[in-house]
Amino acid sequence: DGGITQSPKYLFRKEGQNVTLSCEQNLNHDAMYWYRQDPGQGLRLIYYSQIVNDFQKGDIAEGYSVSREKKESFPLTVTSAQKNPTAFYLCASSESSGGSGANVLTFGAGSRLTVL
Amino acid sequence: EDQVTQSPEALRLQEGESSSLNCSYTVSGLRGLFWYRQDPGKGPEFLFTLYSAGEEKEKERLKATLTKKESFLHITAPKPEDSATYLCAVGSAGNMLTFGGGTRLMVKP
Repeated sequence: DGGITQSPKYLFRKEGQNVTLSCEQNLNHDAMYWYRQDPGQGLRLIYYSQIVNDFQKGDIAEGYSVSREKKESFPLTVTSAQKNPTAFYLCASSESSGGSGANVLTFGAGSRLTVL
Repeated sequence: EDQVTQSPEALRLQEGESSSLNCSYTVSGLRGLFWYRQDPGKGPEFLFTLYSAGEEKEKERLKATLTKKESFLHITAPKPEDSATYLCAVGSAGNMLTFGGGTRLMVKP
């Protein structure tokens, strides 16, 4: 079955540590995205990538980094510079870039990061 | 800047009690309005896309409608398994999707 796999499901981090969240898709989608979700708030865009080896900052990119070396993979690193990283992180993909504003996103199951 | 506001934040219904969720938006050049369902601890699942005012789409007990300023998600005779958070998002030309804060629906048996 085609879909998006995120891992780990739960992750605990000590202050000052970098952590990397994995996102893999087998939908052959060109575009991939990372969102952050906090309780009672809408999804906020962290980074997105429209094509391999290219990515753009979203609304809340500070303290995060990404790479897109393969079409299928879009890992997110939460660095120690992110001041409040505890949140639910969602990876998504779409057939083409979201620039058209009319692309359906397929989401992964999410990764919950807790800073101890 | 695109903006999306969903109301109410939470809604409790008895099984069979029909109601509507609201999504108000401001956007320059709507390209699509999206509804997603999200179960606790999971990623959102796509429900509907609406593209122009007057458009309606249905799926089982759900019906989504669109005007120039808002969208409604009507739930007819809901069941406990309809309990979830419903997210609304708008897309405009040249911009990424903007999501609302969601409505948490609880249907009691």
